[in-house]
Amino acid sequence: DAKTTQPTSMDCAEGRAANLPCNHSTISGNEYVYWYRQIHSQGPQYIIHGLKNNETNEMASLIITEDRKSSTLILPHATLRDTAVYYCIVRGRGAGGTSYGKLTFGQGTILTVHP
Amino acid sequence: DGGITQSPKYLFRKEGQNVTLSCEQNLNHDAMYWYRQDPGQGLRLIYYSQIVNDFQKGDIAEGYSVSREKKESFPLTVTSAQKNPTAFYLCASSIADRHGYTFGSGTRLTVV
Repeated sequence: DAKTTQPTSMDCAEGRAANLPCNHSTISGNEYVYWYRQIHSQGPQYIIHGLKNNETNEMASLIITEDRKSSTLILPHATLRDTAVYYCIVRGRGAGGTSYGKLTFGQGTILTVHP
Repeated sequence: DGGITQSPKYLFRKEGQNVTLSCEQNLNHDAMYWYRQDPGQGLRLIYYSQIVNDFQKGDIAEGYSVSREKKESFPLTVTSAQKNPTAFYLCASSIADRHGYTFGSGTRLTVV
């Protein structure tokens, strides 16, 4: 699986958009980009994933560059409860084309949302 | 409500003792995973299982053992061979036609 690079920490004002970048320059054509977040002392929570098109759900938007070498997770209106560690993960399909493939977590980005 | 349950939340053991961490899911997920997290670090994969009665080693399997006798259950045993067992242990599950993992709330193991 491709390695990802994220900033160690970021700050965001409450109510503003939080834009979390991720570099994955060695991504291959069949690898997806996933985002998870982990609030202190809890299990990680799935946020969103994408292959090459931009994606949006009720939690966030994912913007993937045309060359797929980087992506940005956007929290449109950050709240204090969005303070967490955000993990960007690149993963291919598992054996037999399933989505079982292992997730490899790096250090992530510590996002702090302040009043 | 469906979910994944880890118990206990906090566990204390004496050095040299084996300890088993429980992970149960009622999501009908085929795959289950165990991760370890040390303070300030990301998650590292210990073992995973894609189907009942089958499991594979992850990146840091030494000193751990698992079983998968039922689809719903994937217990992790931390043996005395694990040199630094004190950590936060997370269990997760997933289904083939969806991409997201569901994580439990974790067990914090302290060995004294």
